[in-house]
Amino acid sequence: AQSVSQHNHHVILSEAASLELGCNYSYGGTVNLFWYVQYPGQHLQLLLKYFSGDPLVKGIKGFEAEFIKSKFSFNLRKPSVQWSDTAEYFCAVNYYGFQKLVFGTGTRLLVSP
Amino acid sequence: EAGVAQSPRYKIIEKRQSVAFWCNPISGHATLYWYQQILGQGPKLLIQFQNNGVVDDSQLPKDRFSAERLKGVDSTLKIQPAKLEDSAVYLCASGGGKNIQYFGAGTRLSVL
Repeated sequence: AQSVSQHNHHVILSEAASLELGCNYSYGGTVNLFWYVQYPGQHLQLLLKYFSGDPLVKGIKGFEAEFIKSKFSFNLRKPSVQWSDTAEYFCAVNYYGFQKLVFGTGTRLLVSP
Repeated sequence: EAGVAQSPRYKIIEKRQSVAFWCNPISGHATLYWYQQILGQGPKLLIQFQNNGVVDDSQLPKDRFSAERLKGVDSTLKIQPAKLEDSAVYLCASGGGKNIQYFGAGTRLSVL
């Protein structure tokens, strides 16, 4: 079955710390990969996406993610987090031939000032 | 550009009652999705429309849930009768291509 795993359910960091959130998916075929973010009280917003090409993709607000095909992973990173990065982060996968997104369970990030 | 509009934002009902949610996608987006997000979980697709046709409703509990997208624009999702386990946020998303989906703010349903 198609599935997405996010290993960290809750992460607490201090401002300026580095962030890495893990994401693994279950399918070995062609995939499109996404990270969505949900700030408190707001709707899900696209943070970044990978379709093809350079496996290191850059998104908004200084976030980046690296697609490692051999590990079925798409980890999210940011070198220095800010208090405003406090949010819930969802990894999602779109499997070839299907338009629907399969989401992970999400990671709640709390950045303390 | 206007985003995906959903209403109501919140709804509280008792079990066995019926409820309906409305979604207006981004103008020109052919694809519309309804997701259910239970607390502590990621969104799960309920149904996908392409224009006014259903593409995927494999995870829609059809004994109690129904959805329609008349005229290929806005859409309504209905639950009848509601159960306690239907308490969740119902998200609508639309897509115009490139497999990118844009989400509305959602409707938070509490079934008592």
